[in-house]
Amino acid sequence: QKEVEQNSGPLSVPEGAIASLNCTYSDRGSQSFFWYRQYSGKSPELIMFIYSNGDKEDGRFTAQLNRASQYISLLIRDSKLSDSATYLCAVKAPPGNTPLVFGKGTRLSVIA
Amino acid sequence: NAGVMQNPRHLVRRRGQEARLRCSPMKGHSHVYWYRQLPEEGLKFMVYLQKENIIDESGMPKERFSAEFPKEGPSILRIQQVVRGDSAAYFCASSADRATREKLFFGSGTQLSVL
Repeated sequence: QKEVEQNSGPLSVPEGAIASLNCTYSDRGSQSFFWYRQYSGKSPELIMFIYSNGDKEDGRFTAQLNRASQYISLLIRDSKLSDSATYLCAVKAPPGNTPLVFGKGTRLSVIA
Repeated sequence: NAGVMQNPRHLVRRRGQEARLRCSPMKGHSHVYWYRQLPEEGLKFMVYLQKENIIDESGMPKERFSAEFPKEGPSILRIQQVVRGDSAAYFCASSADRATREKLFFGSGTQLSVL
């Protein structure tokens, strides 16, 4: 059974610091990896995706993929109060009709 | 608004009633996915549909739940004879393609409350 594991948190970081969110997955054949942000009572919003081993940067966000360790992370630099949300890691394995599998999410709290 | 549209936003039903949740995918998208989310839980896959076809319903309970995506109109998730345990947020997502790298975009969800 395909599983995606995340630490539920809450993870508390001071404003301006770096937040580091982690995720592991069980299916070694997984090929696509996504990070979604979900504010309380709202829908998940796609913020990052990564397909290749290594780092991918987009503004204050960096996604990291380590296939050998089956590990994904999301770094948020210069954390802002508005970054406080639950971050969901999602993994997709081939074939194309396999559903996206989500972790339970990590709650991030950025404190002033 | 070209995003994924879900309605109603909130739905209250008494035990034993039927619940119908609707989803219109993003313009240009022909693949629809339904997920359920319980408090403090992640998103659980229920069913994946393309127009007029159910591709994968492995996450949907065999009884009382059904889904369709007709040639015309929105996708419908139908729950018959609802029970308190069906209370959850139901999210619909759509994609343009079934490719492995295809991204999913979510609607605002329907919060179902069963009294």
